[in-house]
Amino acid sequence: EDQVTQSPEALRLQEGESSSLNCSYTVSGLRGLFWYRQDPGKGPEFLFTLYSAGEEKEKERLKATLTKKESFLHITAPKPEDSATYLCAVSDSGYALNFGKGTSLLVTP
Amino acid sequence: GAGVSQSPRYKVAKRGQDVALRCDPISGHVSLFWYQQALGQGPEFLTYFQNEAQLDKSGLPSDRFFAERPEGSVSTLKIQRTQQEDSAVYLCASSLEAVMNTEAFFGQGTRLTVV
Repeated sequence: EDQVTQSPEALRLQEGESSSLNCSYTVSGLRGLFWYRQDPGKGPEFLFTLYSAGEEKEKERLKATLTKKESFLHITAPKPEDSATYLCAVSDSGYALNFGKGTSLLVTP
Repeated sequence: GAGVSQSPRYKVAKRGQDVALRCDPISGHVSLFWYQQALGQGPEFLTYFQNEAQLDKSGLPSDRFFAERPEGSVSTLKIQRTQQEDSAVYLCASSLEAVMNTEAFFGQGTRLTVV
C-alpha cells in the first residue's frame, strides 16, 4: 500500500529564512510525485510533478527535488504570501493521487 | 468560468438525509476526480471518471456513496443516509488528459456537515 509521510507537520519561518519540507514515500511503482499548495478554504493548487530520481523543478522561490525514497520542497527567502499548507502526493495508477497530511507553513514578516 | 466549479460551497445535512454535490469541470477536460478531505488531513481519493465512464470507484467508503457523470461533463456525488463520519470537504478535480501527467485543477470544494 502506498504511504506518504510529510514532515514537519507545521513550520514557522521568518521572512527570508530559507528551509525545506520533506515528503517520504513508499509506492509499488511511481508514476509521479506531486506537490500542491492549499490555502484555507480553497482546493489544492498544482505546483510540480516529478517522475524520476534526480529530477528537479523550480518555480519562483520553490524548488522540488526527488530521490528514490523522498522528495524535498526547498523554499528560498520565503515571503508571507508563501504561507499555506503544502501537500505531497504520489501516484502509482497514473490517475489517483495518494496525499500526505501536509505541512502547514507560516511565514512571518 | 475558467476553473472547476463546485456547488453548494457549504451543506448542512441532518443525519439520515440524502445529499447531492455538483461538480462542473473545466470544459473539454477528459478526467474527473472526487476526493474527500477530513479536517487536518490530506485529500483521499474517492473515484475517477474518464469522460462518462467511471473507471475506478475503489475509494468510495460505502455503498451509500454514488457518483455519476452521464454526459462526460458535469458530475454529481450523491451520499445517501448521511452519517456524522461523512462530514468533510468534498473536492472535485479535472484534468485535460486521461492520465495524471497533466496538471489537475481542483475546485474549492463542498464542505458537508452532518448534524
